[in-house]
Amino acid sequence: AQSVTQLGSHVSVSEGALVLLRCNYSSSVPPYLFWYVQYPNQGLQLLLKYTTGATLVKGINGFEAEFKKSETSFHLTKPSAHMSDAAEYFCAGRRPGTASKLTFGTGTRLQVML
Amino acid sequence: GAVVSQHPSRVICKSGTSVKIECRSLDFQATTMFWYRQFPKQSLMLMATSNEGSKATYEQGVEKDKFLINHASLTLSTLTVTSAHPEDSSFYICSASTGEVDGYTFGSGTRLTVV
Repeated sequence: AQSVTQLGSHVSVSEGALVLLRCNYSSSVPPYLFWYVQYPNQGLQLLLKYTTGATLVKGINGFEAEFKKSETSFHLTKPSAHMSDAAEYFCAGRRPGTASKLTFGTGTRLQVML
Repeated sequence: GAVVSQHPSRVICKSGTSVKIECRSLDFQATTMFWYRQFPKQSLMLMATSNEGSKATYEQGVEKDKFLINHASLTLSTLTVTSAHPEDSSFYICSASTGEVDGYTFGSGTRLTVV
C-alpha cells in the first residue's frame, strides 16, 4: 500500500524567508510524486512533479523539490517566500503507470507574514 | 495546457433534492475522471474513479446509489448527489486524466450547501 505523509499541518514564515514543506512517502515501489497548491475555494494547481530522471525538479512560482529515495522524501522548498505563496499545499503520489489514482497527504497550510 | 471546467462553482439546495455537478475537459479527451470530496481544512478524499463508457469504481464507504457518477463521453463526467442531506455539504472536486504520466488536471471545485 502507498501512503504520503506531510509533517506539519501549519507552517509560518516571514516574507523573504526560506519555505520548507515536508513530504515523505511509503511505498514498495518509488511512486510518481507531485506537489499541488490550493487557494481558498479553488481546485488544485500542479506545482511540480517527479516521475523519473533528475531528482531535483523545478516547478512554477520558484518552487522546487528533491526526490531522495534513501530518505523516502520529497520536500518542497522555495528560497524566498512571497505573500502570494500563502495557501494550502498538498503532496501526492501514485503508482507508476497511467491513470492510477492519486494518494494525497493531509496538506500543509503556509502562512506568510510581513 | 489541459483545462477542466467544473460547474456550478457553488450550489445551495434543499434537503431531499438532487444536485448535478458537471466536469468537462475542454481541450483534451479524458480517459479517466476522478471525483473527490474535501471537508473544511482537510485533504481530498477520493470518492470514485470513472472511465468513459463503463461503470464508476467507488471507494470503500462511498454510497454509489447516493453519489451517481456518469462518464458518458470522453469530455464529460457528472456527479449527482441524490436526496441530499446537510451532511453532504462539502467541497467536491473533479480531476481528469489524459493518460499521460502527469496528466491530472483539476476542476475548480463545487461548494455544495444543503439546507
